[in-house]
Amino acid sequence: QQQVKQSPQSLIVQKGGISIINCAYENTAFDYFPWYQQFPGKGPALLIAIRPDVSEKKEGRFTISFNKSAKQFSLHIMDSQPGDSATYFCAARGNAGNMLTFGGGTRLMVKP
Amino acid sequence: GAVVSQHPSRVICKSGTSVKIECRSLDFQATTMFWYRQFPKQSLMLMATSNEGSKATYEQGVEKDKFLINHASLTLSTLTVTSAHPEDSSFYICSAVPGQGRGVRTEAFFGQGTRLTVV
Repeated sequence: QQQVKQSPQSLIVQKGGISIINCAYENTAFDYFPWYQQFPGKGPALLIAIRPDVSEKKEGRFTISFNKSAKQFSLHIMDSQPGDSATYFCAARGNAGNMLTFGGGTRLMVKP
Repeated sequence: GAVVSQHPSRVICKSGTSVKIECRSLDFQATTMFWYRQFPKQSLMLMATSNEGSKATYEQGVEKDKFLINHASLTLSTLTVTSAHPEDSSFYICSAVPGQGRGVRTEAFFGQGTRLTVV
């Protein structure tokens, strides 16, 4: 059972555009929602994370929007650059322990 | 940020042999480390939770006798793929959570991954 659903599976954006990736979860015990960026042949790297007590978090060009009632959260990449081309994973962590549940991933391509 | 080093980054082995992958937290101690497997163009699949000083907790469907995990110190966990077969070829990734004690909760840091090819 996939507890975190991520969409779209792939995304093509022009340079300078906004990339938007969405995730939805079912388990109300999740209390920490990180986004990871992964380049081919590398491990995931933490990009930005949010807790459910806030609705939005911004770090540079990256923003997480969080809707607790809808159990959805999204990543917005402003002014997308070719260097942002990578696979992005949303994840969620329960309120006990440190185990992460990952979404299926989104392959982003930013065209110059 | 905290650094997790995974070694080797790539390994090719013959069918029937065993391969050991190391995961080290370089600048922090970690009671808990996680091992993931990732197939091409797919998400990370949790294989097991490695607990320092105790037995690993394996996810359903993961053979514990095939994927041996040892977490002998607060900075090192190892995954040994025993009697490897071509279907074990995959990208294996570890992550470590800073802190000592099971009650500590913080973000996870990932290693760079190991590409295992069994021929």
